Amino acid sequence: KAGVTQTPRYLIKTRGQQVTLSCSPISGHRSVSWYQQTPGQGLQFLFEYFSETQRNKGNFPGRFSGRQFSNSRSEMNVSTLELGDSALYLCASSFEGAYNGYTFGSGTRLTVV
Amino acid sequence: QKEVEQNSGPLSVPEGAIASLNCTYSDRVSQSFFWYRQYSGKSPELIMSIYSNGDKEDGRFTAQLNKASQYVSLLIRDSQPSDSATYLCAVLFTGNQFYFGTGTSLTVIP
Repeated sequence: KAGVTQTPRYLIKTRGQQVTLSCSPISGHRSVSWYQQTPGQGLQFLFEYFSETQRNKGNFPGRFSGRQFSNSRSEMNVSTLELGDSALYLCASSFEGAYNGYTFGSGTRLTVV
Repeated sequence: QKEVEQNSGPLSVPEGAIASLNCTYSDRVSQSFFWYRQYSGKSPELIMSIYSNGDKEDGRFTAQLNKASQYVSLLIRDSQPSDSATYLCAVLFTGNQFYFGTGTSLTVIP
């Protein structure tokens, strides 16, 4: 059974650019959540998608957005990148939501220079 | 304010000892609690979930939950060097928002 796949694994972007990250959840999982992980702040919740609808949203600025497709694959987009956006971005999938427990992908390491 | 608090450590225990990891949370009505393990450079992996007061055992791991005290803990018996990692406590708060603590770094000394 394939796990959660995130692409790309590494990204280097310049301030002001935008970036799109992709996540393919475990087959059959309908919930996809995104987290930002930094050494100082730990894991911070960005948003959750379920059946193509955003079900929950964390406290991040509007530059962070996401979507989910009919096959449950999800993308997140960050526009107008700032140095502080440098982080590990983790995607987590579950059958119906956090209650079932998450399976995380390997993450995308974003560096903004 | 929804908060999950853990002692950041580092916590060091000798091989074969019991490691005790603690977590407190701010929402009295939370119902779902989880422990994740994260090795350096890797993503978190789910170790245990607990939903009811009391103890839940899975191999060398025991999760303990006390909702009245808003406290959840993880005990690792017969600690092994391979248990050296950061342990993350996570709580599902009302509104279906899932919050992680900042983690406790555990080192098991051979």
